[in-house]
Amino acid sequence: GENVEQHPSTLSVQEGDSAVIKCTYSDSASNYFPWYKQELGKRPQLIIDIRSNVGEKKDQRIAVTLNKTAKHFSLHITETQPEDSAVYFCAASMVGSARQLTFGSGTQLTVLP
Amino acid sequence: GAGVSQSPSNKVTEKGKDVELRCDPISGHTALYWYRQSLGQGLEFLIYFQGNSAPDKSGLPSDRFSAERTGGSVSTLTIQRTQQEDSAVYLCASSPHRGAGELFFGEGSRLTVL
Repeated sequence: GENVEQHPSTLSVQEGDSAVIKCTYSDSASNYFPWYKQELGKRPQLIIDIRSNVGEKKDQRIAVTLNKTAKHFSLHITETQPEDSAVYFCAASMVGSARQLTFGSGTQLTVLP
Repeated sequence: GAGVSQSPSNKVTEKGKDVELRCDPISGHTALYWYRQSLGQGLEFLIYFQGNSAPDKSGLPSDRFSAERTGGSVSTLTIQRTQQEDSAVYLCASSPHRGAGELFFGEGSRLTVL
């Protein structure tokens, strides 16, 4: 089955700096890669996703890049703000399959004021 | 409501008791997932229902755990003979997609086993 590795497990940045979280996956058939944000005590919520037919996707201050050859994808947050502090999870799956979504272990991001 | 509903939101039980956790997914969503999240930890996959297909039970940690989904809608996660290590938040999520697409999570059921 699919295995998703996520690094780092914790990340602290100064407000205004950029943050990068990286994930690798094992199954070359995976073609859907979402990122979820979980604020303290809240439910995880989708913030951005990418499919394997594109290499990069942006939405305001967040972007995701995908390298299919190396089987890794990354989340980039620019101009970080205190409200970006949360746990971020990457995941991998395959469009149209019955295979379940496999999550990484999470990254606790802390944005220091 | 329009979102995924879970009940109870909090459950405190004694070791050895059985508990049932309920998930009411968004109407029309064919996929339903159960995850477990221990304090400060990641999302541990438990079980996945997709339409009328046989569920993927590969994440259930022991035979004390079982889940069913009646009529393709409401799901119940049952933990028999609870142990202290079962204490966690149990999250349910549903999706209209097959294998990929946004998961909509419930608020979770916090289980504490004394």
